[in-house]
Amino acid sequence: GQQLNQSPQSMFIQEGEDVSMNCTSSSIFNTWLWYKQDPGEGPVLLIALYKAGELTSNGRLTAQFGITRKDSFLNISASIPSDVGIYFCAGRIYGGSQGNLIFGKGTKLSVKP
Amino acid sequence: DGGITQSPKYLFRKEGQNVTLSCEQNLNHDAMYWYRQDPGQGLRLIYYSQIVNDFQKGDIAEGYSVSREKKESFPLTVTSAQKNPTAFYLCASSTTSGHNEQFFGPGTRLTVL
Repeated sequence: GQQLNQSPQSMFIQEGEDVSMNCTSSSIFNTWLWYKQDPGEGPVLLIALYKAGELTSNGRLTAQFGITRKDSFLNISASIPSDVGIYFCAGRIYGGSQGNLIFGKGTKLSVKP
Repeated sequence: DGGITQSPKYLFRKEGQNVTLSCEQNLNHDAMYWYRQDPGQGLRLIYYSQIVNDFQKGDIAEGYSVSREKKESFPLTVTSAQKNPTAFYLCASSTTSGHNEQFFGPGTRLTVL
């Protein structure tokens, strides 16, 4: 099945730094979702985006639905140790099967205190 | 307390045995999904169901079976035909109208000995 290109694969940053990650696709999407997964747990939904150009924040997290509808970005400001985990993007292809999501392979974030 | 539960958290089985993973939700969601997650990989869709008594194969359905006799429950059976069953299994649910964000359970880690 189709997959999203998510980058970077991993990041090692100092506490307090800002973080950026993104997902790109060759197909047009009508929904972008960002999840965070802690080790051994299920992913938790952080932010959902539904319109091209949409910019949405959730605390220190900000995500954007790219204007081309083929990409999305997630930024984390002033990182803290509890931000550690794997961040996944997921999207729904425009005209695709209702409900079905395509997932990126994740960005593993490590934060050094 | 609304949510999705999966049991057991850890499961061990011998080669050649079938095993059933439980998934229950009390969110009144019509759709339910099963994903498989391997280290460093995104989530791959095994089966999904958008209504009771109906389900569809995902990208990697071979060696797995499901049933959807009740709205709240969507058990997954890993059969002996699945050649590499050791993995982390995630169940999710969503509505079938509106934005259809998927919400995940805590996962079951299956290890074949």
